[in-house]
Amino acid sequence: GAVVSQHPSRVICKSGTSVKIECRSLDFQATTMFWYRQFPKKSLMLMATSNEGSKATYEQGVEKDKFLINHASLTLSTLTVTSAHPEDSSFYICSARTSGRAVTLQETQYFGPGTRLLVL
Amino acid sequence: GQNIDQPTEMTATEGAIVQINCTYQTSGFNGLFWYQQHAGEAPTFLSYNVLDGLEEKGRFSSFLSRSKGYSYLLLKELQMKDSASYLCAVLDSNYQLIWGAGTKLIIKP
Repeated sequence: GAVVSQHPSRVICKSGTSVKIECRSLDFQATTMFWYRQFPKKSLMLMATSNEGSKATYEQGVEKDKFLINHASLTLSTLTVTSAHPEDSSFYICSARTSGRAVTLQETQYFGPGTRLLVL
Repeated sequence: GQNIDQPTEMTATEGAIVQINCTYQTSGFNGLFWYQQHAGEAPTFLSYNVLDGLEEKGRFSSFLSRSKGYSYLLLKELQMKDSASYLCAVLDSNYQLIWGAGTKLIIKP
């Protein structure tokens, strides 16, 4: 159990276009989903936290108007990179958590396989 | 501020044992996680410690000392496939994961 999928796995787009990335929890309900970005040879950088039915909480330095997050249901969150530029090229990873109190292994974060974005 | 420190890179020999250390200073503590991440892939869960002591799981063991703000991941009988980055992460008082920068482990034959 605890499988998270991401789509697409890889996307190449032209500068100025928008790209939508979907994150789905396949066999559990995710009250909270996280969006990370990772540059080559760097650690994960949290971009935003989204709770189902409410606005996402963005980390400092992350533009909420550029990275639109929608968590419309307990199994789906989407990240839209608007007007993408080459510097947005990165590995985007989502993770999902079942509840706000991760005191058991079952409530740890489960990661999707990631989406590699290349903006030309 | 919140801080997690782990070595940037370590090298070990196939068949040997390696210990990857992690020290942390966070606002609250609700557990410490170790994740493995192969190049180009998402992290996969390895272990979770919330109480002091050693948790053993096959070739991998994880240790925690909350009073010292310290953990280590011990990998035994190293295999070439263990070459990866190992990420230490602490769950803070807000149940947010604070990530270390990761330790790149290189296994040599």
